[in-house]
Amino acid sequence: ETGVTQSPTHLIKTRGQQVTLRCSSQSGHNTVSWYQQALGQGPQFIFQYYREEENGRGNFPPRFSGLQFPNYSSELNVNALELDDSALYLCASSLDLHGGYTFGSGTRLTVV
Amino acid sequence: DQQVKQNSPSLSVQEGRISILNCDYTNSMFDYFLWYKKYPAEGPTFLISISSIKDKNEDGRFTVFLNKSAKHLSLHIVPSQPGDSAVYFCAARNYGGSQGNLIFGKGTKLSVKP
Repeated sequence: ETGVTQSPTHLIKTRGQQVTLRCSSQSGHNTVSWYQQALGQGPQFIFQYYREEENGRGNFPPRFSGLQFPNYSSELNVNALELDDSALYLCASSLDLHGGYTFGSGTRLTVV
Repeated sequence: DQQVKQNSPSLSVQEGRISILNCDYTNSMFDYFLWYKKYPAEGPTFLISISSIKDKNEDGRFTVFLNKSAKHLSLHIVPSQPGDSAVYFCAARNYGGSQGNLIFGKGTKLSVKP
């Protein structure tokens, strides 16, 4: 067991809709990162949250947003879904910014 | 454009032999490199890492070599086992950055045949 749980495991949405993906980190993990992994690609960094504040962002548009909560859970929200948003979304958490990160199994999002 | 490159999409090796997975990078500001293994339907799991101040790190059957002048690293698995069959990702961290903000290669699918 990785200790990082993501839900749902699979999701199908229609173009233009909005989606919320959830991640439950291990207790005490105050840092969480989100990645997008398109088919045939490596994971691409979306953003990182540290103690409920955004602490770094990759090359993703503002319609990708996030939240981190005091109970070590977090959310990734994507508005105005596009077909190219279809991917595996991974979250990874750590005890602190510079420690090792544990990945969840991901949410497979399909936009039709 | 791609800062971390894994040019071999797949590799097939016989059980008991050595597996060598390669990774090239372009950004000289990378100071830490990691290898992850990923099975289908699971998240990536950390395998081994190396700091840019070293040229080798070993952990059991896994050894990572770093050649800074060539901007090249490789992962050696000896001996290879069927359970090693997975996709292997090379990842790099910018100087002083967080391990939560990594740049990944596209991965190499390793198949170890019994």
